[in-house]
Amino acid sequence: TQLLEQSPQFLSIQEGENLTVYCNSSSVFSSLQWYRQEPGEGPVLLVTVVTGGEVKKLKRLTFQFGDARKDSSLHITAAQPGDTGLYLCAGGDNYGQNFVFGPGTRLSVLP
Amino acid sequence: KAGVTQTPRYLIKTRGQQVTLSCSPISGHRSVSWYQQTPGQGLQFLFEYFSETQRNKGNFPGRFSGRQFSNSRSEMNVSTLELGDSALYLCASSTVTGDGYGYTFGSGTRLTVV
Repeated sequence: TQLLEQSPQFLSIQEGENLTVYCNSSSVFSSLQWYRQEPGEGPVLLVTVVTGGEVKKLKRLTFQFGDARKDSSLHITAAQPGDTGLYLCAGGDNYGQNFVFGPGTRLSVLP
Repeated sequence: KAGVTQTPRYLIKTRGQQVTLSCSPISGHRSVSWYQQTPGQGLQFLFEYFSETQRNKGNFPGRFSGRQFSNSRSEMNVSTLELGDSALYLCASSTVTGDGYGYTFGSGTRLTVV
């Protein structure tokens, strides 16, 4: 069974700070996705990475897929209160099968 | 374009009862997946349907079942409810994008079993 671990589990920072959260596995994934979930809502897809070493940027968010496709990181620059939420990584194959989610990092950005 | 619609949003049931949850995917999406989310276990995969056929199944007891209709709408059913079935049930429709599969989740159905 493929498992994903995420760290840290909880993170509370002040507005304007930078942060990085991590997603790790002992398994290789063909693709890895990051989602953000706000209370009372479903997760929203932020990005999909498919190539080892790939870096994608989405405004203040930078996503990196490890060279071996076993790990990924999400870096947020100058965090804002609107970034508050549960960040989930999910790994699977390109056909959307065998998808597994990590337990998530709960981020709180204080104004 | 309308998103994924799940009904109802909230549900309270008694132990031993059964429940049916509904999911309407994004128009044109043929794959529908169901997940259970709890604080202790996170997001756990229940099953996936594609063109009315169950394509994948997670590690849940037979009390959890689902189906998909010809218009891609899906339902999941839980029979003989237990307290531990209390959770947020999420439905996701997906389609192939340039990067592979992309999930769009609904807002979920919050089921409370008392």
